[in-house]
Amino acid sequence: GQQLNQSPQSMFIQEGEDVSMNCTSSSIFNTWLWYKQDPGEGPVLLIALYKAGELTSNGRLTAQFGITRKDSFLNISASIPSDVGIYFCAGHENSGYALNFGKGTSLLVTP
Amino acid sequence: EPEVTQTPSHQVTQMGQEVILRCVPISNHLYFYWYRQILGQKVEFLVSFYNNEISEKSEIFDDQFSVERPDGSNFTLKIRSTKLEDSAMYFCASSQGLAFEQFFGPGTRLTVL
Repeated sequence: GQQLNQSPQSMFIQEGEDVSMNCTSSSIFNTWLWYKQDPGEGPVLLIALYKAGELTSNGRLTAQFGITRKDSFLNISASIPSDVGIYFCAGHENSGYALNFGKGTSLLVTP
Repeated sequence: EPEVTQTPSHQVTQMGQEVILRCVPISNHLYFYWYRQILGQKVEFLVSFYNNEISEKSEIFDDQFSVERPDGSNFTLKIRSTKLEDSAMYFCASSQGLAFEQFFGPGTRLTVL
């Protein structure tokens, strides 16, 4: 599948700070999904985006589907220690079945 | 809330042995998937299954792999003759429709010795 570039690779922040991470692709995606994975567990869906320009929130999380359909970002506001984990972007190219995942952003939050 | 379940949570096997990983997708979902994640790496697509047949597979999903939906609830991944490099977390996922959000199970950690 198409290589997704996810950045930053890792972030180390203090509790209360806002966080932003993004994903880019050289090809067009039809959907963008953001997942969180805790160690030894499966990815948990946070937000799903289906339309270019769509901005969706889920509590302190906000994600946007880029206008070019080649990128997406995820913001976390007022981070708390339980936000610690690895955040993955993923998307569908064309009408494919497969989800193509980014390499993840590892988030560490200190109290 | 409905969730995908997987068994076993951890499987240890000898190289060359056959393993079967089991999944129970969310009950009203129609599309089923297997992914794997080698330690410290990204999640990689293996195969998708719809209407009792494979709808898409990746290069990783070679002749050593097969999938089956033996009854109305279970979805299995079989690796015929395991290799050391098959050691990974294997995740089952399901979705209501094509290009819909996919919900993942907790995974099976496969260790091949």
